[in-house]
Amino acid sequence: ETGVTQSPTHLIKTRGQQVTLRCSSQSGHNTVSWYQQALGQGPQFIFQYYREEENGRGNFPPRFSGLQFPNYSSELNVNALELDDSALYLCASSLEGGRTGNTIYFGEGSWLTVV
Amino acid sequence: KQEVTQIPAALSVPEGENLVLNCSFTDSAIYNLQWFRQDPGKGLTSLLLIQSSQREQTSGRLNASLDKSSGRSTLYIAASQPGDSATYLCAVNSGNTPLVFGKGTRLSVIA
Repeated sequence: ETGVTQSPTHLIKTRGQQVTLRCSSQSGHNTVSWYQQALGQGPQFIFQYYREEENGRGNFPPRFSGLQFPNYSSELNVNALELDDSALYLCASSLEGGRTGNTIYFGEGSWLTVV
Repeated sequence: KQEVTQIPAALSVPEGENLVLNCSFTDSAIYNLQWFRQDPGKGLTSLLLIQSSQREQTSGRLNASLDKSSGRSTLYIAASQPGDSATYLCAVNSGNTPLVFGKGTRLSVIA
């Protein structure tokens, strides 16, 4: 039990639609990161939020966007869904962005299938 | 750009064996190295975190070592059990940078 919860656990969307995924971080953690994991691959970094500000972004297009709220929970929004967006989306929380000695904790993920 | 490689990609061993999983990274300027376990269709469970100043960490039957200068880490699993079957992922970060993951090693422990 990591204390990081994600919703929904599974969802199916049609190409071109929009999706919102949600994450509640572990209590006291001020940093939330989102990762995309395709089958058979390691997770790829999408972006990170620290104290409600985006402070890092991976190689993902602008149709991937996010928010972090004052309670440090977070949302990942994906517009104009494409078939290749089908993946497991993982949320990770940490204290101070995973600086030295700070463990990063992951949720169970949200499985997105785009048809 | 940091790159993480895990060898082997898959491993099958009989129950009771001791085994070693390998992880290498290209940029030695890391703050932390973290080993995770992932069961099929599930999220990541943190197993061990090694800070850059540390050489190893132990938790139960697991021991992880870090040789920062050579860019290598190993995860040693003693007396393997069928319940250890999962994918093991290695990841590194530097300060406030995101984790960079390897593709993982898929472990099967046969009873």
